[in-house]
Amino acid sequence: DAKTTQPNSMESNEEEPVHLPCNHSTISGTDYIHWYRQLPSQGPEYVIHGLTSNVNNRMASLAIAEDRKSSTLILHRATLRDAAVYYCIAYMNYGGSQGNLIFGKGTKLSVKP
Amino acid sequence: ETGVTQTPRHLVMGMTNKKSLKCEQHLGHNAMYWYKQSAKKPLELMFVYNFKEQTENNSVPSRFSPECPNSSHLFLHLHTLQPEDSALYLCASSQRTGGEKLFFGSGTQLSVL
Repeated sequence: DAKTTQPNSMESNEEEPVHLPCNHSTISGTDYIHWYRQLPSQGPEYVIHGLTSNVNNRMASLAIAEDRKSSTLILHRATLRDAAVYYCIAYMNYGGSQGNLIFGKGTKLSVKP
Repeated sequence: ETGVTQTPRHLVMGMTNKKSLKCEQHLGHNAMYWYKQSAKKPLELMFVYNFKEQTENNSVPSRFSPECPNSSHLFLHLHTLQPEDSALYLCASSQRTGGEKLFFGSGTQLSVL
């Protein structure tokens, strides 16, 4: 798996967009980028994943740099319920049979009212 | 509700006790996982089961003994634990191994006295 680097913490104001960066400079062409988040006192939950193209779903958007060495998770309007630790994982062979998702330390997002 | 249920939510045990953690998934998945989350540390993958067969053991001490009787149930048997084993133990499932989307339970917060 490619190593990912994320800021330890970030702050945001409620109802403003949040851009959570992730660097994965050693990523290979077949590594998918996954994002999970962990709310307080809960297990992690899936947010979004992508390979090359930008991706959108009801929770967030994922913007992937053209060289794929970095990506950004975008929360369009932060709410207090978005306060969580956000994990970026670069993993190959999505849907294959080898290996598993390995979590790093993530970014702790605080949202101020 | 993620479809993955863990019991108990909290457990306090002495070092000489034997206890078991239970995980059940109602998602029809074939892979199940145990992760450990200690304070201030990233999630650590402990064990992986795919179609009831153990496919990964990340050098976990033998005082942790997993059991997967079928694809819907996963247990973690605990005996003669140490205080440093106090942590949040998370169960997850996915359709298959290999980077598939993970669904986590809420975890069991274990305290070893």
